[in-house]
Amino acid sequence: EAQVTQNPRYLITVTGKKLTVTCSQNMNHEYMSWYRQDPGLGLRQIYYSMNVEVTDKGDVPEGYKVSRKEKRNFPLILESPSPNQTSLYFCASSFANRGRDGYTFGSGTRLTVV
Amino acid sequence: SQQGEEDPQALSIQEGENATMNCSYKTSINNLQWYRQNSGRGLVHLILIRSNEREKHSGRLRVTLDTSKKSSSLLITASRAADTASYFCATRRDTGNQFYFGTGTSLTVIP
Repeated sequence: EAQVTQNPRYLITVTGKKLTVTCSQNMNHEYMSWYRQDPGLGLRQIYYSMNVEVTDKGDVPEGYKVSRKEKRNFPLILESPSPNQTSLYFCASSFANRGRDGYTFGSGTRLTVV
Repeated sequence: SQQGEEDPQALSIQEGENATMNCSYKTSINNLQWYRQNSGRGLVHLILIRSNEREKHSGRLRVTLDTSKKSSSLLITASRAADTASYFCATRRDTGNQFYFGTGTSLTVIP
C-alpha cells in the first residue's frame, strides 16, 4: 500500500530533551515536507526537500532540523524542544513535477512539550 | 506569506444540500489543490486544478479556478454526513517549491 508513515503518533516530552520524528514513504517520491498544524493558523511548512541531500526552509524552520540521506526517509529533529513547539505535525510527499499529483500525508504526530 | 484563505471558516448544511467553499490566494500559481481532513487525521488529496484550467470535476466534486481574481471554489454536491470534515486549499507557486495551505473550512453535514 502506498503510504507515508510517521512515528510516533503521540509524544509527550520535556523542554530541552532532543527528539526525532521519523517519516518514511514508499512511493519513490522526490519531494518531502514537514508541516505543523495549530488552531487558527492552518498548516505551516517547516522544511521541505526536493531530493536526496537537498533541503530548504519553509515558513517556520526555527527550532527544527531535517536531513535527507535517503530518498524514502525525511526525519524531523527538535534539538531542544520548547513548549511553543507543541503542535500536530504532518509529513507529506509528492512527485517533484509541479502539476503531476498532490501530496500524500502521514497520519500525524501529536507532540506535547511540557 | 502566500497563505491562502478559505471562506467561510465554518459551514453547516443538511444532508443532500450542496456545499460551496471558496479559497483566495495572493500570487501566481502553478496549480491549486483541495484537501480534506477528518478530525485530527492526515489530509487527503481530493483534486488538483492547473493554472491553465478553469473547471474540473471528480465525482460529486466540482472545482473552479479564476486566476484573474486569484480565487477558487470547491462545490460538493448532494452532501452526505460522511463529508463532514475540514477542507483546505493549497497552492504551489509557478516559481519556487513551496506549498501553501489555507486555514480551512470546517464543514458539518447534518443527517
